[in-house]
Amino acid sequence: ETVMTQSPATLSVSPGGRVTLSCRASQRVSNNLAWYQQKPGQAPRLLIYGASTRATGIPARFSGSGSGTDFTLTISSLQSEDFAVYYCQQYNHWLYTFGQGTKLEI
Amino acid sequence: EVQLVESGGGLVQPGRSLRLSCAASGFNFDDYDMHWVRQVPGRGLEWVSGISWNSDNMGYVDSVKGRFTISRDNTKNSLYLQMNSLRSEDTALYYCVKDGPVAGTGDYWGQGTLVTVSS
Repeated sequence: ETVMTQSPATLSVSPGGRVTLSCRASQRVSNNLAWYQQKPGQAPRLLIYGASTRATGIPARFSGSGSGTDFTLTISSLQSEDFAVYYCQQYNHWLYTFGQGTKLEI
Repeated sequence: EVQLVESGGGLVQPGRSLRLSCAASGFNFDDYDMHWVRQVPGRGLEWVSGISWNSDNMGYVDSVKGRFTISRDNTKNSLYLQMNSLRSEDTALYYCVKDGPVAGTGDYWGQGTLVTVSS
């Protein structure tokens, strides 16, 4: 099983700021890495796939990078609607796994 | 508009069975792999099971192997999860997820159905 580790668990930031979330895989997953956003009471929403490709309708302030085992999600110019929990997920192997999440709070 | 509507959740005693269903609409169901992902309220996400578009391939997380069975009926645009020998640790919100732009990603999620395993 590929274990995904996200850091930090919680990040306190101000609107308008820039933030970088990290995700590390316990083994190489190539660029088979996705990021999701989840707000309270809602299902997750796909933000990024292929480590760096934005999903349909995702604003350009969201960007992803990385390959192999280390990945980042950067959100520039934070908006109020961006405060949520973010999960990374590897889909390199049929047993897909998620990180434990990073909560972005004001 | 893509819609995924789960049903079948509820309160069940340990050791009993439950069958979840997911009704899909708004896309060509038989073109996509489908998945079940669960989430304990207030906790993280766990991929439970997936099935290929033609049912040739299925996968399960280790903790449910031998107890859960995923299936689909492309004539009914429906996905199922048969859950047997339920345990308290299976308590979670179960999401039905459509495979996304790349296999293994989920671009559409249902609102989930809550399964509570308790005596």
